[in-house]
Amino acid sequence: EIVLTQSPGTLSLSPGERATLSCRTSQSVSNDYLAWYQQKPGQAPSLLIYGASTRLTGIPDRFRGSGSGTDFTLTISRLEPEDFAVYYCQQYSRSPLTFGGGTKVEIK
Amino acid sequence: EVQLLESGGGLVQPGGSLRLSCAASGFNFRRYDMHWVRQDTGGGLEWVSAIDTAGDTYYPDSVKGRFTISRDNAKDTLFLQMDTLRAADTAVYYCARSQLWYYDIWGQGTPVTVSS
Repeated sequence: EIVLTQSPGTLSLSPGERATLSCRTSQSVSNDYLAWYQQKPGQAPSLLIYGASTRLTGIPDRFRGSGSGTDFTLTISRLEPEDFAVYYCQQYSRSPLTFGGGTKVEIK
Repeated sequence: EVQLLESGGGLVQPGGSLRLSCAASGFNFRRYDMHWVRQDTGGGLEWVSAIDTAGDTYYPDSVKGRFTISRDNAKDTLFLQMDTLRAADTAVYYCARSQLWYYDIWGQGTPVTVSS
């Protein structure tokens, strides 16, 4: 099983600041089969990024995914009020599909 | 509008059974692989099962032999039969539409509590 470790657990930032979220995998993720999701309280997760760096249609370009192999990053260039949420990464290169434990981006 | 709507969650005793349903609308259901994903009270997400367009099924070891995923393409509905339930199965269960096994559409979730 591929284990995904997200850091930090919590990121305290102000609107307008840059957020950098890390997702490290215990084994290399082939084909960059890594996705990022955003979850707000009381809602289901929603897809932001797939293929490590491809934004879903309609996702603002302030969200950028990067990385390959075992080291992936989600960067939010300038935080908007609606971006404060929990973010999860997921690998889909190998079964069982697995998720990271999440990073909470909270208002400082 | 593309939508997934789960139902069937509730309180069940350890060792009991529950059947979840997920009604799909707004897209050609039979053309997509479909999955169940659960989220525990601590926020952890876990893949629970998958069924592809051919009807082949996939499970992690944690639920293999206890859970059964199925689909009715004529009714655009996904199912999850959960047997021999344990306290560790307590979670919100989401159905999700799969694209290459990442998820572009999620339902709103249905809560399952396993407790005596």
